Amino acid sequence: AQSVTQLGSHVSVSEGALVLLRCNYSSSVPPYLFWYVQYPNQGLQLLLKYTSAATLVKGINGFEAEFKKSETSFHLTKPSAHMSDAAEYFCAVGGLFGNEKLTFGTGTRLTIIP
Amino acid sequence: DSGVTQTPKHLITATGQRVTLRCSPRSGDLSVYWYQQSLDQGLQFLIQYYNGEERAKGNILERFSAQQFPDLHSELNLSSLELGDSALYFCASSVSLAGVETQYFGPGTRLLVL
Repeated sequence: AQSVTQLGSHVSVSEGALVLLRCNYSSSVPPYLFWYVQYPNQGLQLLLKYTSAATLVKGINGFEAEFKKSETSFHLTKPSAHMSDAAEYFCAVGGLFGNEKLTFGTGTRLTIIP
Repeated sequence: DSGVTQTPKHLITATGQRVTLRCSPRSGDLSVYWYQQSLDQGLQFLIQYYNGEERAKGNILERFSAQQFPDLHSELNLSSLELGDSALYFCASSVSLAGVETQYFGPGTRLLVL
């Protein structure tokens, strides 16, 4: 069975500061990993995905994530937070071929302090 | 805009009633997934259809059913509704990008059972 754990249900950072959202995965097969963002009253938008092509994955809106097999982690970072980054972020793991159901973490709500 | 459409946006109904949620996938996407997002359960996979056939089942109640039609749109039927069924229901369709199926989500249908 696959699972993801997101450490920290709420994270607050100052505008311009580094954003770090943590995700650890558990998978018996090479995982496909995803980060999605959900803005208030909206659907889920894909930020980036890991497909084993490169361990450092760049996404939209300046976000990136690094796959670390030894740590079973896929943390999301952004060098400088913007007010518009305030949202809920979900890490998810997909199946062997990435076409099975996504298993989501519990989400991290990111608040940006002006 | 992900290209996935869902109707209705909001639905208010009473316990014991039956409702139908509709999803139109992105043009050309053959897979449709349904997810439920609630405060206590988080984001949970319900069911997947591929080109009209059921492919995978998750935590879907027996009171719930779904189907995918020849034009690839999908409907999720919820019957004998209970207060606990109040949630946001998402549909996603997937496309293979660089060999990995990537799911794109619709805006969701917010169901309130009174």
